[in-house]
Amino acid sequence: GAVVSQHPSRVICKSGTSVKIECRSLDFQATTMFWYRQFPKKSLMLMATSNEGSKATYEQGVEKDKFLINHASLTLSTLTVTSAHPEDSSFYICSASPSVGGPYEQFFGPGTRLTVL
Amino acid sequence: SQQGEEDPQALSIQEGENATMNCSYKTSINNLQWYRQNSGRGLVHLILIRSNEREKHSGRLRVTLDTSKKSSSLLITASRAADTASYFCAPWDSNYKLTFGKGTLLTVNP
Repeated sequence: GAVVSQHPSRVICKSGTSVKIECRSLDFQATTMFWYRQFPKKSLMLMATSNEGSKATYEQGVEKDKFLINHASLTLSTLTVTSAHPEDSSFYICSASPSVGGPYEQFFGPGTRLTVL
Repeated sequence: SQQGEEDPQALSIQEGENATMNCSYKTSINNLQWYRQNSGRGLVHLILIRSNEREKHSGRLRVTLDTSKKSSSLLITASRAADTASYFCAPWDSNYKLTFGKGTLLTVNP
């Protein structure tokens, strides 16, 4: 149980285009989803926290207008990288938690490799 | 920040040996979690230890927590080549967030 999927797993796009990444919890309802970014051989950096039906909370230094997050249902959150540039190339990972707050584990998706040319 | 910091950064051992990874953090926590990440993949939750627990076992994994020293350790016994991965500790702080360090890259040689 507790499977999280991401789509696409890999995407290559041209500079200036927008890319949407989907994160789905397949067998549970996720009241909270998290979006992370990971550079090679680096730690995961939390970008934002989204709760279903409300606006995402962005971490300091993350541009909310560039990284649009929508958590429209209890099983789906999307991250849209707008006007992508080569420096946005990275590994994006989402996670989902079945509980609001509390000391619960997060279930991670397999990640999406974004390459901006 | 509450970011967990793993030590060592890299560890190479032979199959069958034990692997020990350490983690330090800065402030009080509710719990601390360990995750594994295979190259280019998502994270897999390994074990969660609460702040009032000192030791926890799960299969070949043994985790300890010392809140007085703000440290934790992950022991993998009888390692296998399939254990090759990066291992991250993630303290769960009062903001209900997991913060990750750079991880320990474990290589188990067959």
